[in-house]
Formats: sequence, C-alpha cells, structure tokens
Amino acid sequence: KQEVTQIPAALSVPEGENLVLNCSFTDSAIYNLQWFRQDPGKGLTSLLLIQSSQREQTSGRLNASLDKSSGRSTLYIAASQPGDSATYLCAVKIGGGGYQKVTFGIGTKLQVIP
Amino acid sequence: NAGVTQTPKFRVLKTGQSMTLLCAQDMNHEYMYWYRQDPGMGLRLIHYSVGEGTTAKGEVPDGYNVSRLKKQNFLLGLESAAPSQTSVYFCASSFEGGNEQFFGPGTRLTVL
Repeated sequence: KQEVTQIPAALSVPEGENLVLNCSFTDSAIYNLQWFRQDPGKGLTSLLLIQSSQREQTSGRLNASLDKSSGRSTLYIAASQPGDSATYLCAVKIGGGGYQKVTFGIGTKLQVIP
Repeated sequence: NAGVTQTPKFRVLKTGQSMTLLCAQDMNHEYMYWYRQDPGMGLRLIHYSVGEGTTAKGEVPDGYNVSRLKKQNFLLGLESAAPSQTSVYFCASSFEGGNEQFFGPGTRLTVL
C-alpha cells in the first residue's frame, strides 16, 4: 500500500528565506507526483506536476524535484513571501488509463513571517 | 472559464437522510474525481470516472454512489447519511489520467 509522508508537519520562516518541503513515498512505481497548496477553508491549487520520467519542474519561485529510486520529492520555494503561507500537499498517482489510485500526504503547514 | 464548481458549499444532514453533491467542469476534461478530506488524514479518493458514462471505485467508496451521465458533470450521492460521512468533499478533474488535477472549492458536509 502506498504511503505518503510529508515532513515537517509545520514550518515557520522569516520572509525572504529559501525553504524546502519534503515528500516521501513507499512505492516507487508511480505515474506522476503533484504538488498543491491549500489555503484555509479553500480548495487545492495545483502548483507543479512531475511525470515519472521527469526529474524536476519549475514555475516561478517554485522548483519541484523527483527521485523515484529513493521515493522522494522536494518542493523548493525561493525568497519566501507572506503570501506563500498555506498548507502544501503532495499527491502520488499510480496506474494509468482506466485505473487510478491517488495517495495524498497530510501536508506541511507553512507560515512566512513578515 | 469557471473551472471546477461544486454545489452546495455547505450542508447539514440528519442521520439517514440522502443528498447529492454536484460537480461541474467546463474544461472538457475526461477524468473526474471525488475526494474527502478529514482532519489529520490526507485526501482520500472515493470514486472516479475516466469518461462520460463510466465510474470506478476509489479507496473509500462504501456508502457513496456516483454517476457521470454528462461529460461535464459528476454527481456524488449519499443514500443514507451517517455521522462518519461528516467531512469536506472535493471534486477534481483532469484532461487525462496523467495530467494535473484541478480542484473545486469543496463542500462542507455535517451529518448529525
């Protein structure tokens, strides 16, 4: 059974700091991995999607890496801002076509202090 | 584009009552998903659909039914609500299985 763990559960950093969020998974036979942010009481916003054949994806100040062999992904946030405060979730998908299995981590709650 | 929308936003039910949650997407996505989110747990997949007229069970399907009569709509039904179904329900869609998922704003359901 796929298990997804996100460490740390919570993180507080001063504005401007670079930071790394971690996501680990137990079954390396993944289809893709997706990072989301969730603001309190809101839905999930997609940040980055990494296919199993890719090593990293970048969008603005965000960079996500994937190492399937070690079962790890990291989300790097450069020059953090108070607006980055949210819970960050990673989701691992296995299967393809008619079969879909998605496992989410519980998330890392990030607070960026002005 | 409205993206993924969900109705209602909030609902309170009594044990044994039934209701249907509606999800609509205007992105012409083939795949649609229903999740539930509970405190201290990751989102869990209830049911999903890989195209109009198809449905499949996810991780926690018991107590729920779904229908995908139209490509843009995915309905989640609770036939006889139980307190254990108190949760926040999210709908999502993707163009294909390997593409990124887009989420709706959620429905907060309380079963008394």
